[in-house]
Amino acid sequence: AQSVAQPEDQVNVAEGNPLTVKCTYSVSGNPYLFWYVQYPNRGLQFLLKYITGDNLVKGSYGFEAEFNKSQTSFHLKKPSALVSDSALYFCAVREFGNEKLTFGTGTRLTIIP
Amino acid sequence: DVKVTQSSRYLVKRTGEKVFLECVQDMDHENMFWYRQDPGLGLRLIYFSYDVKMKEKGDIPEGYSVSREKKERFSLILESASTNQTSMYLCASSTSGTGRKTQYFGPGTRLLVL
Repeated sequence: AQSVAQPEDQVNVAEGNPLTVKCTYSVSGNPYLFWYVQYPNRGLQFLLKYITGDNLVKGSYGFEAEFNKSQTSFHLKKPSALVSDSALYFCAVREFGNEKLTFGTGTRLTIIP
Repeated sequence: DVKVTQSSRYLVKRTGEKVFLECVQDMDHENMFWYRQDPGLGLRLIYFSYDVKMKEKGDIPEGYSVSREKKERFSLILESASTNQTSMYLCASSTSGTGRKTQYFGPGTRLLVL
């Protein structure tokens, strides 16, 4: 069975500081990993994904994520936070051959001016 | 760009009513999904469809049914709405094939059942 955990419900970061939103996963085989962002009263917007290859994945709006197989993690990062990055972030995982995505419970990121 | 649209942004229904939520995608995607989103629970899959007239149960199908008569349209049906079905409902679509496929989401329908 596949699962994903986002250990922090809320993350607060000062504007201009680096940010990290954590995600760990569990799968039987090779994972496909995704990050989505949700702004207030909106649907989920795709940020980036890891399929294979380079462990550092670059996505939209200056975000990146690092796949770490030994730690089964896929943390989302950005070097310098903007107030407009404040939103709800979801990590998701899918095993090879599985059509279904499993989502984490979400992390609310607040960037403080 | 992929576009997934949902028929309503907000809906208010009464207990026992039959409720239809419609989703349309314009990218000829084979797969379509219905999720519900609740605070602290993330997104949970209700049903998905991998082809016209084909459907599979997700993690929480009880109290819901779906219909996919055309490739671009996927409907979620609440046969007899109950207050515990008050939630945000999100539709998504993706291509089929190997694992590279990304799910693209609609704007969501916030349903209140009184």
